[in-house]
Amino acid sequence: GENVEQHPSTLSVQEGDSAVIKCTYSDSASNYFPWYKQELGKRPQLIIDIRSNVGEKKDQRIAVTLNKTAKHFSLHITETQPEDSAVYFCASGDRGTYKYIFGTGTRLKVLA
Amino acid sequence: GAVVSQHPSRVICKSGTSVKIECRSLDFQATTMFWYRQFPKQSLMLMATSNEGSKATYEQGVEKDKFLINHASLTLSTLTVTSAHPEDSSFYICSAMIRDRYNEQFFGPGTRLTVL
Repeated sequence: GENVEQHPSTLSVQEGDSAVIKCTYSDSASNYFPWYKQELGKRPQLIIDIRSNVGEKKDQRIAVTLNKTAKHFSLHITETQPEDSAVYFCASGDRGTYKYIFGTGTRLKVLA
Repeated sequence: GAVVSQHPSRVICKSGTSVKIECRSLDFQATTMFWYRQFPKQSLMLMATSNEGSKATYEQGVEKDKFLINHASLTLSTLTVTSAHPEDSSFYICSAMIRDRYNEQFFGPGTRLTVL
C-alpha cells in the first residue's frame, strides 16, 4: 500500500540551531503535504502545508520544500526554541480520495 | 473558524460494552469526516472515511462491524466501538473537511478510550 517514510524518528538540537525533518511519499496522486505538531494527548496542529504546484513555502521560522520528481518533502525550523519541542508528523493528501497518509513522526527536543 | 469538537474527551469502560464517540464540525458543514486511531508513541492511522449520507469506507484491516460509523448530517459523525476489549484502548481522533475545497482536514481534540 501507499506509505510515507519520515526521518529521523528522534532529533535533538541546541536552542537556536536549525532542525530538518524529511519525508518521502509513494502515492503519485498526492497533491497536498501538511506538517503537524502534536503535543502529548492533544490534537495535531497544522503548522505549514504545501501544494504540489509549489516548490517551497516559508512562514517565519518554518519552511517546507517539495521535490515532486523525487517524491520528497522536508520541514525546516530555524532558530529553534524550547517550545518547539514536540512530535512532528508529515502527511501526504490524495487528490482523489482526500485521505491523508501520515509519516511515522519525529520527536524533536530543543535543548536550552 | 473551522472548529471540530469531540465528545467525550475521555472514557473508561468495561470489556464487552459499547462506546460512542461524537465528532462535530461547529462552524462549517463537513462533507467528509475521517476517523483515526493513535496508539502511544505512534502515528495516526486512518480507520475510515465518512461521507455525509453514505456508508463509511473502511481501511484495510479495520472491522466495520466493530467500529460503526454514522455520518447522519453535515456537522456530525459518530464512531461506536462495539464489544470493546482492552486492545481497543487508544486515542481516537476525528477530522473534518469540505470536499473540493483544497485538502485541508481540521482535527478534533481526540478521545482517550480505556477499556478495562
